[in-house]
Amino acid sequence: RKEVEQDPGPFNVPEGATVAFNCTYSNSASQSFFWYRQDCRKEPKLLMSVYSSGNEDGRFTAQLNRASQYISLLIRDSKLSDSATYLCVVNGKDSSYKLIFGSGTRLLVRP
Amino acid sequence: EPEVTQTPSHQVTQMGQEVILRCVPISNHLYFYWYRQILGQKVEFLVSFYNNEISEKSEIFDDQFSVERPDGSNFTLKIRSTKLEDSAMYFCASSAGQVFPGELFFGEGSRLTVL
Repeated sequence: RKEVEQDPGPFNVPEGATVAFNCTYSNSASQSFFWYRQDCRKEPKLLMSVYSSGNEDGRFTAQLNRASQYISLLIRDSKLSDSATYLCVVNGKDSSYKLIFGSGTRLLVRP
Repeated sequence: EPEVTQTPSHQVTQMGQEVILRCVPISNHLYFYWYRQILGQKVEFLVSFYNNEISEKSEIFDDQFSVERPDGSNFTLKIRSTKLEDSAMYFCASSAGQVFPGELFFGEGSRLTVL
């Protein structure tokens, strides 16, 4: 089983649509969870951390299910500028500073 | 806004040559990292560095790789004898470390092409 698994997509959606991405991770000892965004040929940038109770940042909502080892990201009211690859990221094990990246889910938002 | 800077942005080298990639992390950050991304593949952890020593490294980070913080600002990755499969984008990152593990700030990357 891959350490962090994501559907590669692409998800092709119209502006204004709501889109959801899922991610599963294999190490039950992981304690820190994130969504990063990566534009083509650019560096990853933190979109949001994911907390146990779920959290929201504007149009973005992240959820964590530790029992199922599952993380989700919901984007509401998609903008053209949301087009990017979304990376699910977890730390390697408790107290580890090593981040393990998923291969990413590509989102294309069309006019 | 403070940022992580990397040089060179692109380096082309012959197989077997030594390469040094340079990074200037954000000035008050305590943790430093190198990641790499082979074209079309996922971002992979290489090494983390704290308090002037390696804190973690991956299986990729073998004896051909080394890191150094030669002064108070630079953080370097050296590849002693490059191989074709070392061709990748190398990202330096830093984090403040107060909140574990905190946000990682990535540089724009150094693209290494080994011929």
